[in-house]
Amino acid sequence: DGGITQSPKYLFRKEGQNVTLSCEQNLNHDAMYWYRQDPGQGLRLIYYSQIVNDFQKGDIAEGYSVSREKKESFPLTVTSAQKNPTAFYLCASSISQSAKAQHFGDGTRLSIL
Amino acid sequence: GQNIDQPTEMTATEGAIVQINCTYQTSGFNGLFWYQQHAGEAPTFLSYNVLDGLEEKGRFSSFLSRSKGYSYLLLKELQMKDSASYLCAVRDGDYKLSFGAGTTVTVRA
Repeated sequence: DGGITQSPKYLFRKEGQNVTLSCEQNLNHDAMYWYRQDPGQGLRLIYYSQIVNDFQKGDIAEGYSVSREKKESFPLTVTSAQKNPTAFYLCASSISQSAKAQHFGDGTRLSIL
Repeated sequence: GQNIDQPTEMTATEGAIVQINCTYQTSGFNGLFWYQQHAGEAPTFLSYNVLDGLEEKGRFSSFLSRSKGYSYLLLKELQMKDSASYLCAVRDGDYKLSFGAGTTVTVRA
């Protein structure tokens, strides 16, 4: 089945540690996105990529990094510089940046130990 | 960034109709989206409007007025499974999507 796979479902980070969230899609979509969702708030855009080997900062990129070496994969690293990383992280993809819909993965819930 | 406002909560009875309003201010406009999100799950796409007017899809309809910066999502014949958060999102001139905080709809028997 085609879709977007995020892993792990739950992740715990220690102080000063970098962690990487995985996002893989087999939909042949060009565009991929990372969002952060906090309780009672809407989704906020962290980074997005419209094509392989290219990505742009979203509204809250500080403390995060990404790569887009393959079309199917868009991993997000939460660095130690991100002081409040506890949140629900959602990856999405769309056939192009102007597509009618973005399709979301099931999310990764990150917590601090 | 965008300013997107929608009510925090709404409650309705099974079988009834509920209308969720969304107002927005944006620099450039490339479409308005509605998503449904059940607690702890990923959002699922409901509707897309880029031109003024009403789009109907089964029990769900979405309306857009670009001149007023206004949209609504209409849910008809409410079912218990419709209890969820409904997210309004606007795509700007750079094709970035900005989301409202969501409206939690509770359907009562």
